[in-house]
Amino acid sequence: GENVEQHPSTLSVQEGDSAVIKCTYSDSASNYFPWYKQELGKRPQLIIDIRSNVGEKKDQRIAVTLNKTAKHFSLHITETQPEDSAVYFCAASGDSGGYQKVTFGTGTKLQVIP
Amino acid sequence: KAGVTQTPRYLIKTRGQQVTLSCSPISGHRSVSWYQQTPGQGLQFLFEYFSETQRNKGNFPGRFSGRQFSNSRSEMNVSTLELGDSALYLCASSLAGRGSVNEKLFFGSGTQLSVL
Repeated sequence: GENVEQHPSTLSVQEGDSAVIKCTYSDSASNYFPWYKQELGKRPQLIIDIRSNVGEKKDQRIAVTLNKTAKHFSLHITETQPEDSAVYFCAASGDSGGYQKVTFGTGTKLQVIP
Repeated sequence: KAGVTQTPRYLIKTRGQQVTLSCSPISGHRSVSWYQQTPGQGLQFLFEYFSETQRNKGNFPGRFSGRQFSNSRSEMNVSTLELGDSALYLCASSLAGRGSVNEKLFFGSGTQLSVL
């Protein structure tokens, strides 16, 4: 089955700096890669996603890149703000017998220091 | 549109007991999946239901079971509770029908289970 590795497990940055979280996946059939943000005590929420036919996607201060050959994808947050502090989960999704199956990474706790 | 609702929000049980958690998906969503969240372990997939049928199952012991009703509401049951079952249990709903991939998951707030 699919295996998703996520690094680092914790990340501290100064406000205004950039943060990068990296993930690798094992199943070359995975074709959808969402990122979820979970603030303390709250539910995970989708913040950005990328499909396998796209190499990069941006949404304001966040961007995701995908390297299908290397099976790597990364989340980039620029000009970090205190409200970016949260746990971020990457995931890989693909067909499993005609249905979607999602596998999550172990999460990265991002702390933005004011 | 109402979000995904999970009840109860908190549960305290003792070892050996059993527990049932409930999840009501977003209206129109027929897929419900369950995850166990523990510090350092991320989101561990338990199982996924669609139209009352279990479509996918994670690597959890048979003490963990679930079901889905005709209105798409889902329940998860854990029998013979162990201390290690203490965790936040999240459910998520999506539209994902057969042949449909790349579907966004909408999570509930979770049920925090403590086993003493």
